[in-house]
Amino acid sequence: DGGITQSPKYLFRKEGQNVTLSCEQNLNHDAMYWYRQDPGQGLRLIYYSQIVNDFQKGDIAEGYSVSREKKESFPLTVTSAQKNPTAFYLCASSWGSNQPQHFGDGTRLSIL
Amino acid sequence: QQQVKQSPQSLIVQKGGISIINCAYENTAFDYFPWYQQFPGKGPALLIAIRPDVSEKKEGRFTISFNKSAKQFSLHIMDSQPGDSATYFCAARSNNQGGKLIFGQGTELSVKP
Repeated sequence: DGGITQSPKYLFRKEGQNVTLSCEQNLNHDAMYWYRQDPGQGLRLIYYSQIVNDFQKGDIAEGYSVSREKKESFPLTVTSAQKNPTAFYLCASSWGSNQPQHFGDGTRLSIL
Repeated sequence: QQQVKQSPQSLIVQKGGISIINCAYENTAFDYFPWYQQFPGKGPALLIAIRPDVSEKKEGRFTISFNKSAKQFSLHIMDSQPGDSATYFCAARSNNQGGKLIFGQGTELSVKP
């Protein structure tokens, strides 16, 4: 089945640690996105990539980093510099920047 | 100017009734307006979308009404069913910002049997 796979579904991090969230898609989409969802605030864009080996900051990139070494993969690292990392993280992809975005089922990150 | 304002925050509708969710925007460069449906613990799923050159789009029980002059658009769910209970997000995108979607705050819909 084609789709977007995010893993793990739940992730716990100790304060001061970096943690990496996985996002893999087998839809052959060029563009990939990371959003953060907090209660009552909708979704906010962290980073996006329109093509392999290129990515741009979104609205709330501070404390996060990404890489796009392969078309199908767009991992997100939540660094210790992110002061409030507890949230639901959603990855999305699309054929191009002007095409509909399709979402994975998210990773819920909590701080121990 | 990049905001999309969504209302109401929560909505309770009886089975068979009409659910209406409203969104407003300021940026006239927005050219694509999707609605997403999200169930607990899942990612949002694209429900229906509209571009500003049409005033209405209907897919089954779901209709988007679009008012370009007022910079408002709304989602109507006809014959609402308990299975429609979910959180709904409107969003907007301009074609010169790399596909970036600006989301509304979400509406939690509960359809009572």
